[in-house]
Amino acid sequence: SAVISQKPSRDICQRGTSLTIQCQVDSQVTMMFWYRQQPGQSLTLIATANQGSEATYESGFVIDKFPISRPNLTFSTLTVSNMSPEDSSIYLCSVSGLAGSDEQYFGPGTRLTVT
Amino acid sequence: AQKITQTQPGMFVQEKEAVTLDCTYDTSDQSYGLFWYKQPSSGEMIFLIYQGSYDEQNATEGRYSLNFQKARKSANLVISASQLGDSAMYFCAMTDTDYKLSFGAGTTVTVRA
Repeated sequence: SAVISQKPSRDICQRGTSLTIQCQVDSQVTMMFWYRQQPGQSLTLIATANQGSEATYESGFVIDKFPISRPNLTFSTLTVSNMSPEDSSIYLCSVSGLAGSDEQYFGPGTRLTVT
Repeated sequence: AQKITQTQPGMFVQEKEAVTLDCTYDTSDQSYGLFWYKQPSSGEMIFLIYQGSYDEQNATEGRYSLNFQKARKSANLVISASQLGDSAMYFCAMTDTDYKLSFGAGTTVTVRA
């Protein structure tokens, strides 16, 4: 497995503001993903973070709302823009492809509350 | 499109007993992966076990085993010798060839002393 960290671990934000979440992995990985878990719900994939190119977004998620960067093979950021209370969720990054394995591991998550 | 079904919203199990969590899936892909994750109240997603669609042997990781029945499209998780620390939400998930995870609704497990 890998050591995956996320910053911040939690935050309370005002509506209309933006928050950038960082995901750092202690080894190079080919695949990185961002997921959202709304209160009481399961996880939903937001996008695949592609190294050196634009992220690939799932249906219902757009780049203007959730811009993603992936400057190298160990780091990615997700920004939640122009937040509303409906954005209150846990945001998690995940990685796959460690040592050629198909196993997928998650960071500890960022618990976001929008007031 | 893939679909994961977990039909048990919540389960109670006595400490030291085994518990089986049900998971069925639907996919038209020949190559896929099946996962189980544990989510305690802290919110982190803890990887438990993985089974590839071409793996003939059922996966095992310590007290966790995955009962993979490909023809029935089921991937049940068995937790043996339950401990109080096993109380959590458990998610079944699967990946396609793009490694994107699709999740079931989850099952809450409560272990009683």
